[in-house]
Amino acid sequence: GESVGLHLPTLSVQEGDNSIINCAYSNSASDYFIWYKQESGKGPQFIIDIRSNMDKRQGQRVTVLLNKTVKHLSLQIAATQPGDSAVYFCAVSAQGGSEKLVFGKGTKLTVNP
Amino acid sequence: EPEVTQTPSHQVTQMGQEVILRCVPISNHLYFYWYRQILGQKVEFLVSFYNNEISEKSEIFDDQFSVERPDGSNFTLKIRSTKLEDSAMYFCASDLRGDTDTQYFGPGTRLTVL
Repeated sequence: GESVGLHLPTLSVQEGDNSIINCAYSNSASDYFIWYKQESGKGPQFIIDIRSNMDKRQGQRVTVLLNKTVKHLSLQIAATQPGDSAVYFCAVSAQGGSEKLVFGKGTKLTVNP
Repeated sequence: EPEVTQTPSHQVTQMGQEVILRCVPISNHLYFYWYRQILGQKVEFLVSFYNNEISEKSEIFDDQFSVERPDGSNFTLKIRSTKLEDSAMYFCASDLRGDTDTQYFGPGTRLTVL
């Protein structure tokens, strides 16, 4: 089955810097990828998604990059703010019409003022 | 903006008791999910539900678990006889189209089994 891993459990950045959070997945047939943000005591909040027919997608201050060759996904946050402090998860849609999401373990982002 | 809601926010129960966790998905969504997150661990899929039946379930979702959509708005998860290891955050999610559609999550119910 699919497995999803993150490169770093924690990331600490200075306010105003750019943040990059990485994720690796195992199944080359995975076709849908989502980044979620989870603040303490809350549910996962959708940030941005990307489908396998794309390699880059941009939102407001966030960019997701998908490298299918090495099965790698990254989330870039520009001009990181204290409100960005949270745990970030990547989630992958399993192949073959399954609706379930397989989550990575999460990277805790701390933004220092 | 529409959102998924869940009640209660925190449920404390004794081992062996039954619990029902409640969710109100986003109103026009057709696919409903339960996930759980044990403290400090990954979010794990439990079950998906569409057209009034389970469409997929994980190995965690054993005979002690059941789901129901008792009316047009609620979606429930029942645990028949809770165990200590059922202690976790339980998240409900919903989406419109199922496969490769964005799932929106509720705030979760923290279940504590004593």
